[in-house]
Amino acid sequence: DAGVIQSPRHEVTEMGQEVTLRCKPISGHNSLFWYRQTMMRGLELLIYFNNNVPIDDSGMPEDRFSAKMPNASFSTLKIQPSEPRDSAVYFCASSLDGSGGGLYQPQHFGDGTRLSIL
Amino acid sequence: ILNVEQSPQSLHVQEGDSTNFTCSFPSSNFYALHWYRWETAKSPEALFVMTLNGDEKKKGRISATLNTKEGYSYLYIKGSQPEDSATYLCAFISAVTGGGNKLTFGTGTQLKVEL
Repeated sequence: DAGVIQSPRHEVTEMGQEVTLRCKPISGHNSLFWYRQTMMRGLELLIYFNNNVPIDDSGMPEDRFSAKMPNASFSTLKIQPSEPRDSAVYFCASSLDGSGGGLYQPQHFGDGTRLSIL
Repeated sequence: ILNVEQSPQSLHVQEGDSTNFTCSFPSSNFYALHWYRWETAKSPEALFVMTLNGDEKKKGRISATLNTKEGYSYLYIKGSQPEDSATYLCAFISAVTGGGNKLTFGTGTQLKVEL
């Protein structure tokens, strides 16, 4: 069975450029999560969706970050403009939760996107 | 910001030792607690989801207990093996009125099992 698929695996770009990270959740899963992992702050939840609707975006650091989930099988996390401090590993995860995003079920993580902003 | 703490931060044990570590979380508004295992250069892998006070879960040599009244969960590994070397993360889920509960990860316990 295909797991959570993220692309690209690695991204290196210059400060000021737009960055788009992509995620395909496990088929049938209805909750999707975006995380950022840094040495300083560990694993932080940025945003999560349930049934394609954003439930909690309080972890999104600032207006430069935006996330969309246009359908049940695809989500994007966009950073515009990017800054060196955005360099991190970004994980996407999905789970099969009840309506309203109860977070009652284990999450399945993708392999992550390692982002470097120069 | 919810305070979810894991201790110890890191741990070195010998093969065959049994070990345990702690996840501490707020004792109010508890909804669920997740445990994940995260090997270097891989992605986190779910171990347990715990929801009831007094819950005990087991998977092979790994088990976990939950005390929601005092706000802690223990993860135990019996007879540690080198392949158990990983970072073990807990994630605390707090209930939010109206749904869409809040998730906060701890910073993890890094376990190294040596031969």
